[in-house]
Amino acid sequence: GAVVSQHPSRVICKSGTSVKIECRSLDFQATTMFWYRQFPKQSLMLMATSNEGSKATYEQGVEKDKFLINHASLTLSTLTVTSAHPEDSSFYICSARERGARQPQHFGDGTRLSIL
Amino acid sequence: GQQVMQIPQYQHVQEGEDFTTYCNSSTTLSNIQWYKQRPGGHPVFLIQLVKSGEVKKQKRLTFQFGEAKKNSSLHITATQTTDVGTYFCAGHGSSNTGKLIFGQGTTLQVKP
Repeated sequence: GAVVSQHPSRVICKSGTSVKIECRSLDFQATTMFWYRQFPKQSLMLMATSNEGSKATYEQGVEKDKFLINHASLTLSTLTVTSAHPEDSSFYICSARERGARQPQHFGDGTRLSIL
Repeated sequence: GQQVMQIPQYQHVQEGEDFTTYCNSSTTLSNIQWYKQRPGGHPVFLIQLVKSGEVKKQKRLTFQFGEAKKNSSLHITATQTTDVGTYFCAGHGSSNTGKLIFGQGTTLQVKP
């Protein structure tokens, strides 16, 4: 159980393109989803917390107009990187959590984004 | 802000040797979780510790939560090549935001 699907797994696109990443909880309802960014050989950096039906809460230094998050249902959250530039190239991972702030997070497989 | 420090950053061991990673928080944690990320993969939840002084075992893995709930450790007995990966501790602070604060991770390499 507790499977999270993240799509696409890899994106290569030109600078200026907007990229949408989907995160789905397949077998449970995720009241909260999290979006992380991970640089090579580094830890996970939380970008934003997404609660179903409400606006995402962004961490300090993360541009909300750059990284658009939508959590329209209990099983789907999307992250759109708008007008991506090479410095946005990274590994983006989502996680989903069932109701309860202390529940474990279940991670998607991640999306490797490369902006040329 | 709240920080979770994890050491060592890297550890190379011979197969069969033991391995320990340590996690320290700047503030008291309500609980601590451990995750494992294989190379090229995503973090996978291993365990959660909640009580002060709690010890939990999963086969060759032993997890401890300190009495003051500010530190934790993961010990692997007789490592195997399948233990290779990065182990992250992550804690919830006293606030109820639900955000996890991740340590930097310890990357374990096991030589066969």
